[in-house]
Amino acid sequence: DSGVTQTPKHLITATGQRVTLRCSPRSGDLSVYWYQQSLDQGLQFLIQYYNGEERAKGNILERFSAQQFPDLHSELNLSSLELGDSALYFCASSGLVDTQYFGPGTRLTVL
Amino acid sequence: DQQVKQNSPSLSVQEGRISILNCDYTNSMFDYFLWYKKYPAEGPTFLISISSIKDKNEDGRFTVFLNKSAKHLSLHIVPSQPGDSAVYFCAAVNRDDKIIFGKGTRLHILP
Repeated sequence: DSGVTQTPKHLITATGQRVTLRCSPRSGDLSVYWYQQSLDQGLQFLIQYYNGEERAKGNILERFSAQQFPDLHSELNLSSLELGDSALYFCASSGLVDTQYFGPGTRLTVL
Repeated sequence: DQQVKQNSPSLSVQEGRISILNCDYTNSMFDYFLWYKKYPAEGPTFLISISSIKDKNEDGRFTVFLNKSAKHLSLHIVPSQPGDSAVYFCAAVNRDDKIIFGKGTRLHILP
């Protein structure tokens, strides 16, 4: 158990819809990272927040947004969903960039 | 354009022997390199890292070697154990804290 929790575990929705994925970091970790893992693209870094502020941005689509709240939990919002957005979405937290602890992931299926 | 490449999708190694997982990168501006291990249905777990100013880092059975002139790093696991069977991801972190992952190598440890 990494100490990072993600909800929900599975999510099935339709194209055009909007969903919110939630992540609670390990106690004391200020950084939260979001990743997308798909079969053809591997693990892709989406975005990082540090203590409520956006810190680094990766391959995140404009239809996707994230935020980190004062209690340090984070949410990833995915809108206008497309079939290709079906993937595993991981959240990770860290105190130091070279030691990230990953949550179990949310499997998103877009039908 | 893949900046971090793991060219072997899978690798089989006899138990007790050395496993060598390879990773190539194209950008000389990376600050850190990381290796993660992933079991099915779980998030990746951090294994070992190496700074770009070093050429070797060792932690128990795991050693990472960095060859900056060849833009190549490798993870050595010795001796290989059955529990090492997993997917291994190589990742690179640049100065803006952006993290780029390879597509992973599936390691099978044979009895």
